[in-house]
Amino acid sequence: GAGVSQSPRYKVAKRGQDVALRCDPISGHVSLFWYQQALGQGPEFLTYFQNEAQLDKSGLPSDRFFAERPEGSVSTLKIQRTQQEDSAVYLCASSLKRLDRVSYNEQFFGPGTRLTVL
Amino acid sequence: DAKTTQPNSMESNEEEPVHLPCNHSTISGTDYIHWYRQLPSQGPEYVIHGLTSNVNNRMASLAIAEDRKSSTLILHRATLRDAAVYYCTGGFNAGGTSYGKLTFGQGTILTVHP
Repeated sequence: GAGVSQSPRYKVAKRGQDVALRCDPISGHVSLFWYQQALGQGPEFLTYFQNEAQLDKSGLPSDRFFAERPEGSVSTLKIQRTQQEDSAVYLCASSLKRLDRVSYNEQFFGPGTRLTVL
Repeated sequence: DAKTTQPNSMESNEEEPVHLPCNHSTISGTDYIHWYRQLPSQGPEYVIHGLTSNVNNRMASLAIAEDRKSSTLILHRATLRDAAVYYCTGGFNAGGTSYGKLTFGQGTILTVHP
């Protein structure tokens, strides 16, 4: 079956350019997460959606970062006026249900988009 | 968020068991302990999770200390395909309204020798 897909897999941008990174979660998954992974580091949380609602964006590093999931499926992470420190792998993950008190939700990760800002 | 500490790297021989330790002394009483692994050029992959009791699945076993301040991921017979970065993470508050934000550390690079 299809897993989480992300596009593009690689993106090179000049400093100051805007970029848009796409995530296609597993069909029917309610929860969607974005993470940023710098070279040699573990992933760091950016933001979380439950369906189309962005319930937490506390990890977004600046107001240049914006994420949306307008119809509760595909999500886009947009970075405006890219800077060199934005260079990283951006990972998307989805899970089947909204989080609740009882059941555990495994997160399924996509392969990531490697962004290089020159 | 629970903070985790893992050794930077470990080595094993194929077919031998591997014990990957993790300290999570700041974990709260309702935080799950999760393990994910990441192969080169791939996103992390779920391995196992637990709360208080030891857990087994087809991939691995998870041994959780009685005080929950540490845990050990056990691969019973390492294969070359198990070579990856292993992350012990915390962050799913089973008793509250948290939503599963995972807090990753730097992970342990596992090398498996033929």
